[in-house]
Amino acid sequence: QVQLQESGPGLLKPSETLSLTCSVSGASISSNYWSWIRQSPGKGLEWIGFTSSSGPTYYNPSLKSRVTMSVDTSKNQFSLRLSSVAAADTAVFFCARSEGGTYPYFFDSWGQGILVIVSA
Amino acid sequence: DIVMTQSPDSLAVSLGERATINCKSTQTVLYSAINKNYLSWYQQKPGQPPKLLIYWSSIRESGVPDRFSGSGSGTDFTLTISSLQAEDVAVYYCQQYYSAPLTFGGGTKVEI
Repeated sequence: QVQLQESGPGLLKPSETLSLTCSVSGASISSNYWSWIRQSPGKGLEWIGFTSSSGPTYYNPSLKSRVTMSVDTSKNQFSLRLSSVAAADTAVFFCARSEGGTYPYFFDSWGQGILVIVSA
Repeated sequence: DIVMTQSPDSLAVSLGERATINCKSTQTVLYSAINKNYLSWYQQKPGQPPKLLIYWSSIRESGVPDRFSGSGSGTDFTLTISSLQAEDVAVYYCQQYYSAPLTFGGGTKVEI
């Protein structure tokens, strides 16, 4: 059974960089597509983008200028960096797995989510 | 971006009755060459991540009760819970994966 677990700081100040890691067990990070999705009261579920060990990566244009994703195959983890955070970035961040073609398809495994609050 | 609009925002259904949730996309999510709709449904309970229920618009994920069914094609889709159970109280989301960025509907809250 695939399990995903997000980790990282839960509180940030405006202008700081958010760094989250998703640890994957029960599946190889070398297969499939790995996404980050966030959920805030004001905007519902928002797909941030995906990465893969084989190369393809895509960031949502709404966040593209601030997002970087990467994969660490030696640790079976993938990560998200979101720079210059503001209060509007306060959300629960989920990592998720999917299969896909050019882009990911549906998300069949999710992490439990991590609440990130941006506040001075 | 493809915008997904769900209706209603919320609905109250008696135990054992049918619940119907609608999802409409601003452009087709049907890839006609393979006759597949790039549309999925999720269930989210408080404090939990979304759980995949339906993919390719009508295929139930393994372990999902058969009271859940998905239908529709093109731009109009429906999730039906044929006989609502207490454990089905949740928020339901549709999601398109036809084109990037992948997008979700705003959610429909189902209550007893």
